[in-house]
Amino acid sequence: GAVVSQHPSWVICKSGTSVKIECRSLDFQATTMFWYRQFPKQSLMLMATSNEGSKATYEQGVEKDKFLINHASLTLSTLTVTSAHPEDSSFYICSARVSGGNQPQHFGDGTRLSIL
Amino acid sequence: DAKTTQPPSMDCAEGRAANLPCNHSTISGNEYVYWYRQIHSQGPQYIIHGLKNNETNEMASLIITEDRKSSTLILPHATLRDTAVYYCIVRAHSGGGADGLTFGKGTHLIIQP
Repeated sequence: GAVVSQHPSWVICKSGTSVKIECRSLDFQATTMFWYRQFPKQSLMLMATSNEGSKATYEQGVEKDKFLINHASLTLSTLTVTSAHPEDSSFYICSARVSGGNQPQHFGDGTRLSIL
Repeated sequence: DAKTTQPPSMDCAEGRAANLPCNHSTISGNEYVYWYRQIHSQGPQYIIHGLKNNETNEMASLIITEDRKSSTLILPHATLRDTAVYYCIVRAHSGGGADGLTFGKGTHLIIQP
């Protein structure tokens, strides 16, 4: 149980393109999902918290107008990287947590974004 | 969240038990110890978590000292597929669910054939 699916797994696109990444909880409902970013040889950094039916909460230094998050249902959150540039190239990972108690977060397999 | 300290890397022979230490000397009474691992180019995988009692599941065992200032993750029979970066994270239960994780640098465990 507690499977999180992320799509696509790999994207290569030109500078200036907007890219949408989907994160789905397959067998549970998640009122909250999280988006992380990982640059090569670095650890995961939390970008934002995605809340179903309300605005996302962004970490300091993360531009909300560049990284648009939509959490329209209890099983789907999307991250759109708008007008992507080469410096946005990174490994983007989402996670979701089963509500209640001290449940752990479960992560998707990540999306590798390469901007040319 | 309490800070954690882990060795940057460890080697272990295949088939032997891998013991990964984590220091969390400033842990609060309501904070849990979580372990995740990340195999290269994949998302992190949840392994185990605990509050104060030792825990065991199909993947690993978690030993937490009585004062809760440190813990050890034990992989009983390490295989080559256990080569990964292992993260020890201390986190309080948040009823509101707004609890993104703070990842440190972790321990790069290398299983040697």
